[in-house]
Amino acid sequence: DVKVTQSSRYLVKRTGEKVFLECVQDMDHENMFWYRQDPGLGLRLIYFSYDVKMKEKGDIPEGYSVSREKKERFSLILESASTNQTSMYLCASRDYLTDTQYFGPGTRLTVL
Amino acid sequence: KQEVTQIPAALSVPEGENLVLNCSFTDSAIYNLQWFRQDPGKGLTSLLLIQSSQREQTSGRLNASLDKSSGRSTLYIAASQPGDSATYLCAVRMNSGNTPLVFGKGTRLSVIA
Repeated sequence: DVKVTQSSRYLVKRTGEKVFLECVQDMDHENMFWYRQDPGLGLRLIYFSYDVKMKEKGDIPEGYSVSREKKERFSLILESASTNQTSMYLCASRDYLTDTQYFGPGTRLTVL
Repeated sequence: KQEVTQIPAALSVPEGENLVLNCSFTDSAIYNLQWFRQDPGKGLTSLLLIQSSQREQTSGRLNASLDKSSGRSTLYIAASQPGDSATYLCAVRMNSGNTPLVFGKGTRLSVIA
């Protein structure tokens, strides 16, 4: 079974803090994604990566950066957390051959 | 720019009913369409994938159809059960490369026992 794990289920941070959200997949997938999900706005793509060291901006990259030093790990970084970044964050990886996308359980981040 | 719409946003049905969830997209030049399920507070789980050349896909009590020319897909759930209660999202992929999925906002389904 493909497994996508995220470092925390719940996280509370203060405004201005640097926040790291980590995602690890165990199936050697090339493609990985970070989304945020908010009521009424649906799932929005923040960044994605189709190879190690490669990253692409999604629809809402402002205020975020990413790191992918190893194929299995894709990190989302909030350089200076703000209250409007309170959200559910979902990581995913994609099996390119079957085009199946696997999601992690999500991290609910609260910024106070 | 591709837009994916799911109507209604929420649906409540009694147990045992057959039901249909709708998905529409504005650009019919899709590569494939995918349906996902999301339980409250959890990640998404892939249910069905329909290639652009296919008309439907089935998995158990679920049947997804695709009418590419009209920009529509339906997810049919037979003999609904309380365990089917979840949010169902559809998503389209525009080409076979690294283009990300474009998601709808989902339909929240409640099946009442």
